[in-house]
Amino acid sequence: DGGITQSPKYLFRKEGQNVTLSCEQNLNHDAMYWYRQDPGQGLRLIYYSQIVNDFQKGDIAEGYSVSREKKESFPLTVTSAQKNPTAFYLCASSIRGPATEAFFGQGTRLTVV
Amino acid sequence: QKEVEQNSGPLSVPEGAIASLNCTYSDRGSQSFFWYRQYSGKSPELIMFIYSNGDKEDGRFTAQLNKASQYVSLLIRDSQPSDSATYLCAVKGGNNRLAFGKGNQVVVIP
Repeated sequence: DGGITQSPKYLFRKEGQNVTLSCEQNLNHDAMYWYRQDPGQGLRLIYYSQIVNDFQKGDIAEGYSVSREKKESFPLTVTSAQKNPTAFYLCASSIRGPATEAFFGQGTRLTVV
Repeated sequence: QKEVEQNSGPLSVPEGAIASLNCTYSDRGSQSFFWYRQYSGKSPELIMFIYSNGDKEDGRFTAQLNKASQYVSLLIRDSQPSDSATYLCAVKGGNNRLAFGKGNQVVVIP
C-alpha cells in the first residue's frame, strides 16, 4: 500500500540530546514537508523540500535540520538548540505543483524528559 | 498579517444545522486552497480543495473561494456528531510552500 510512514510514533528525549524523526513515502512524490503542532494550535512549517538535495526553511526552522538525499526520505533532526521541542510532528508529501494536495503521515509525538 | 488566518473561536452547532468556517490569506499569488479535518491526536485528512473562484460542492461540504477578497470558506451542511473535529485551512503558492491556519474547532451537539 502506498503511503507515508513516520517513526517512531512516540519518542522521549533527554534535554541536550539530538533526535532524528523518520519520514518515508512510497507515493513517488517530489515535495515533502515537516510541520510542528502544539496543543490547540495549527500546523507550523519547519522545512520543506521540492526535489532531492534541495530544501527550504519554513517559519520555525531554528533548532531543526533536515536532509533530502533520497526522493523517498526526508528525516528531521531536532537539535539541542531547539529550546522547546515537545510537540506533535507531522510529515507530509505531495506531487510537485500548486494544484496538488498533501498527504500526511500518522505523526510523531516528541516529549522532552 | 499572518499568512493564513482563521480567527473564529470554537464553533458549536446543533446536529443537522450548517457549520460555516472562514479563512483569509495574505499572498495574492496563492494558487490552491485546501480544507483538512483533524480529529484529536490524529493527523489531518483532506476533505476539500478548490483552485478557481466560486463554489465547489462535495457531498455535505461546500468550499467557496474569492481571490479578489483573499477569502476561502467551508460550509458543512446537515452537521453530524462525526463532524466534530478541528478544521484546518491550507494555502499553497507557486513555490510549493504549503501554509496552514491555526484551525477552528467544531462541536456538533446531538
